[in-house]
Amino acid sequence: DVKVTQSSRYLVKRTGEKVFLECVQDMDHENMFWYRQDPGLGLRLIYFSYDVKMKEKGDIPEGYSVSREKKERFSLILESASTNQTSMYLCASSPPGQGLWGYTFGSGTRLTVV
Amino acid sequence: EDKVVQSPLSLVVHEGDTVTLNCSYEVTNFRSLLWYKQEKKAPTFLFMLTSSGIEKKSGRLSSILDKKELFSILNITATQTGDSAVYLCALNTGTASKLTFGTGTRLQVTL
Repeated sequence: DVKVTQSSRYLVKRTGEKVFLECVQDMDHENMFWYRQDPGLGLRLIYFSYDVKMKEKGDIPEGYSVSREKKERFSLILESASTNQTSMYLCASSPPGQGLWGYTFGSGTRLTVV
Repeated sequence: EDKVVQSPLSLVVHEGDTVTLNCSYEVTNFRSLLWYKQEKKAPTFLFMLTSSGIEKKSGRLSSILDKKELFSILNITATQTGDSAVYLCALNTGTASKLTFGTGTRLQVTL
């Protein structure tokens, strides 16, 4: 069964901490994405990556960075966590080209910054 | 800026009812429209629509796209409590597999 695995289901961090959210996929997908989901705002794209060491800003990249050193792993980094980054974070992956139905999501990490 | 608007934001229906969820959009470069169902965890894929007027159907769920009026609907007939979820509409506008999502419609089906 193909999977996108996010390392933590729930996370509580303090303001100012550096936070790492990890995402691993076992489908050999080229594309990986980080979204955040907030009530009334839906899913908003933070960053995405087409390939190893490649990254592109999404719609709301401020306050975040990413790392993709290996094809299967895409990390989201909050350099200095703030309370407005409290949210549900969803990772997804997909194959290139017409594989939109192959857009597979992880189960999400609910991050609370206090 | 690409925009995806879903309505209603939430609704409550009784088991057995039929519901229609709406998704309207404004995008510069349309490639496809997708519907996802999100229960407690990860969104799961329902339909992908690329052409106007062609209904996609899966069991009690169906969806259709109108590219002239820029909207799609998702119909669920004979609703069951297991249909309770957030239904997400997303647009692919041609930049790789990047998707722009709507806010979602939260559906609750009661006994």
